[in-house]
Amino acid sequence: DAKTTQPNSMESNEEEPVHLPCNHSTISGTDYIHWYRQLPSQGPEYVIHGLTSNVNNRMASLAIAEDRKSSTLILHRATLRDAAVYYCILRDKPNSGYALNFGKGTSLLVTP
Amino acid sequence: EAGVTQFPSHSVIEKGQTVTLRCDPISGHDNLYWYRRVMGKEIKFLLHFVKESKQDESGMPNNRFLAERTGGTYSTLKVQPAELEDSGVYFCASSQATSVLSEQYFGPGTRLTVT
Repeated sequence: DAKTTQPNSMESNEEEPVHLPCNHSTISGTDYIHWYRQLPSQGPEYVIHGLTSNVNNRMASLAIAEDRKSSTLILHRATLRDAAVYYCILRDKPNSGYALNFGKGTSLLVTP
Repeated sequence: EAGVTQFPSHSVIEKGQTVTLRCDPISGHDNLYWYRRVMGKEIKFLLHFVKESKQDESGMPNNRFLAERTGGTYSTLKVQPAELEDSGVYFCASSQATSVLSEQYFGPGTRLTVT
């Protein structure tokens, strides 16, 4: 399975933009890039996903490098509620089924 | 619309006892997944149901774990007999489509403590 690499932790000030990086240098052409996050004492929740083009939704934006070997999750204005562990996950059914392969993720701390 | 629910929220049992965890997926979701996070480790996949059939049980750690989904609605995960290393948080998730594009909705988890 293609692997992802994320920083262990990042810190941001409230109301500032946050850029969470993810490296996936062994990504295959059929891998979708998904992001989930886990707020304290809750189950993980879906954030966004993409294949090649940049994506936006109400929660965040996903910027995908042209060679697809890296991506960045962008929170445009961090709030205290965004403090969570963020997971970058590659999904490609033919190789890895439908399960989510959580790694260690990035723990985001948001300070007032 | 109700989300994924799990029961109990917390269970404390002694080593050697049996525990049954329950998951109610979002209504209409054919896909149901079990995951767990044991102490200090990453969240790991256990198994995947499509309706009442086990699609993938490659993550089940051993035969002390038994998952069922009779009738394709709620699911139970039984641990018998429980061991200390089974302590952790067990998450259930559901999705509508059987697809890598389908968002998985997670429940709040059941915290299992084996003493």
